[in-house]
Amino acid sequence: QKEVEQNSGPLSVPEGAIASLNCTYSDRGSQSFFWYRQYSGKSPELIMSIYSNGDKEDGRFTAQLNKASQYVSLLIRDSQPSDSATYLCAVTGYSSASKIIFGSGTRLSIRP
Amino acid sequence: EAGVVQSPRYKIIEKKQPVAFWCNPISGHNTLYWYRQNLGQGPELLIRYENEEAVDDSQLPKDRFSAERLKGVDSTLKIQPAELGDSAVYLCASSFGQGRNSPLHFGNGTRLTVT
Repeated sequence: QKEVEQNSGPLSVPEGAIASLNCTYSDRGSQSFFWYRQYSGKSPELIMSIYSNGDKEDGRFTAQLNKASQYVSLLIRDSQPSDSATYLCAVTGYSSASKIIFGSGTRLSIRP
Repeated sequence: EAGVVQSPRYKIIEKKQPVAFWCNPISGHNTLYWYRQNLGQGPELLIRYENEEAVDDSQLPKDRFSAERLKGVDSTLKIQPAELGDSAVYLCASSFGQGRNSPLHFGNGTRLTVT
């Protein structure tokens, strides 16, 4: 089992709709969870972080965390063509908070 | 604030040749990471430094890869000799401290092609 798993996609969503991206992780003691966005040919950039169970909202983005289910998700409301990118889920380990492990990413495509 | 600086941006070498990548982290960031990213995959950690100490190098292929972070600031990653399978993007990242409030800041990466 991979430590951090994501559906590779591509996920195609119409412009203006809600895009839902999911991630599961294997280390039950993980404490910090991040979503990075990566445009083609560019480096990952942080868009959201979440540390406690529940929802965290930032503009059009909402991160959701359920530690009991070892599940973290990212919702993008009012999807825009500029949201088309690969979204990487990243998780820190329990034994080392600095060891950040990435999933393989979900490719999101927003169609006009 | 200047971001993480990496060089070169692109490198094309023949197999069995050596290659080196350089990274300068954000000023004040004591944790430095080297990741490798293959096409269609997420970044894979190669080595992590806390100041000048390599605290996690379990994923570094030590027979051909080496890294150093002298004086706890900039870092160099070397491959000698390179193999075809080393073609990838090599990403450097840095963070301030460790723990929940320390997300990674990435450089632009070095795209390595081994022919």
